[in-house]
Amino acid sequence: SQTIHQWPATLVQPVGSPLSLECTVEGTSNPNLYWYRQAAGRGLQLLFYSVGIGQISSEVPQNLSASRPQDRQFILSSKKLLLSDSGFYLCAWSRRVRYRTEAFFGQGTRLTVV
Amino acid sequence: AQTVTQSQPEMSVQEAETVTLSCTYDTSESDYYLFWYKQPPSRQMILVIRQEAYKQQNATENRFSVNFQKAAKSFSLKISDSQLGDAAMYFCAYRSAPDFGNEKLTFGTGTRLTIIP
Repeated sequence: SQTIHQWPATLVQPVGSPLSLECTVEGTSNPNLYWYRQAAGRGLQLLFYSVGIGQISSEVPQNLSASRPQDRQFILSSKKLLLSDSGFYLCAWSRRVRYRTEAFFGQGTRLTVV
Repeated sequence: AQTVTQSQPEMSVQEAETVTLSCTYDTSESDYYLFWYKQPPSRQMILVIRQEAYKQQNATENRFSVNFQKAAKSFSLKISDSQLGDAAMYFCAYRSAPDFGNEKLTFGTGTRLTIIP
């Protein structure tokens, strides 16, 4: 069976510090991978998605970047965090099941920038 | 760009009763998918139900059903016989159909559902 791991679950970082959130998927190959963010009082917003190793598409301009060094690894990074980067970050992967696709989410990382 | 609106930040329902969560969306596309996701306190996002826009029949999954009104761009979720385990944040989401194999979702802001014992 497929599983998705995301860590850490909670993170408190000072403004200006770097960030690295990691997401890995097990039990499948060549998944599409996604990073979403939920800021306070807002819905989940797609930040990045990837259809393959080294292929990253950014949906919104921001202080963050993403990388996919391996097929089932997706990393969200920042060189210098801003207060506005605080939020709940979710990693997801999707696959095709017969004639439909379905997204599966990790358990998220609560990031607080202080 | 598509937008999804959930106008009810919080809802509560008595256990065993029925509750309806509202969702409206805006799109110029004719072919798309709509979803309801549940996020319990464990924070694991779980797909509750999905609806293909080309299908006129409303989707149903056990105690969960939707009222899909394409012309009105409305997609409400009805939970029957509410149970304590239904307590969660519920998100309505939209996906363009042509992105087959790519689950880029647009989410609403969510509705927090409380079940009263």
